[in-house]
Amino acid sequence: GAVVSQHPSRVICKSGTSVKIECRSLDFQATTMFWYRQFPKKSLMLMATSNEGSKATYEQGVEKDKFLINHASLTLSTLTVTSAHPEDSSFYICSAYKQGSGNTIYFGEGSWLTVV
Amino acid sequence: RKEVEQDPGPFNVPEGATVAFNCTYSNSASQSFFWYRQDCRKEPKLLMSVYSSGNEDGRFTAQLNRASQYISLLIRDSKLSDSATYLCVVTTGGGNKLTFGTGTQLKVEL
Repeated sequence: GAVVSQHPSRVICKSGTSVKIECRSLDFQATTMFWYRQFPKKSLMLMATSNEGSKATYEQGVEKDKFLINHASLTLSTLTVTSAHPEDSSFYICSAYKQGSGNTIYFGEGSWLTVV
Repeated sequence: RKEVEQDPGPFNVPEGATVAFNCTYSNSASQSFFWYRQDCRKEPKLLMSVYSSGNEDGRFTAQLNRASQYISLLIRDSKLSDSATYLCVVTTGGGNKLTFGTGTQLKVEL
């Protein structure tokens, strides 16, 4: 079964509105989670590293004021796309690092965002 | 130059064929190496880790050449269910940050 859960799996929103995507580690505590986006037929691009209890670390070129990340607990990180535009339509995926068990990184199921 | 480069394909092969994918990475400090599989509109799933000594998991064999900064994946006796995109992934700087290649698409046909 899934060890990292993402919600919602699909969302359609109007331009200018904000959308929140949740990423939960189900049976382990994750001090670090990662947010990626993927355009059709393109690779996953790391957007930011979410750190529990501190500010997220954003990759170059990612607007931190547009993509708000909050990691308020050891099992939950949220990504909020603010003032969404059609070009923000993409597949957003989170991952969480589980220590032990081979230090595996698990991915959420992903969230398809369509901005109309 | 991209950090991780792959031939995007698609590779169209008949069922039962052997197919090989290659990947090169630019950062010589890269620490860990993986192959992930991604089905259409789904999240990536770990296929196997890659070691310099080479490793095999059933029909899948992965190899790492650090000197050439080159990673390979060999799939023997291809199945229809192997059709997917195969992502070459490396980690740097502490090991938790994954850098993905663009992926190689495989289509196994009857």
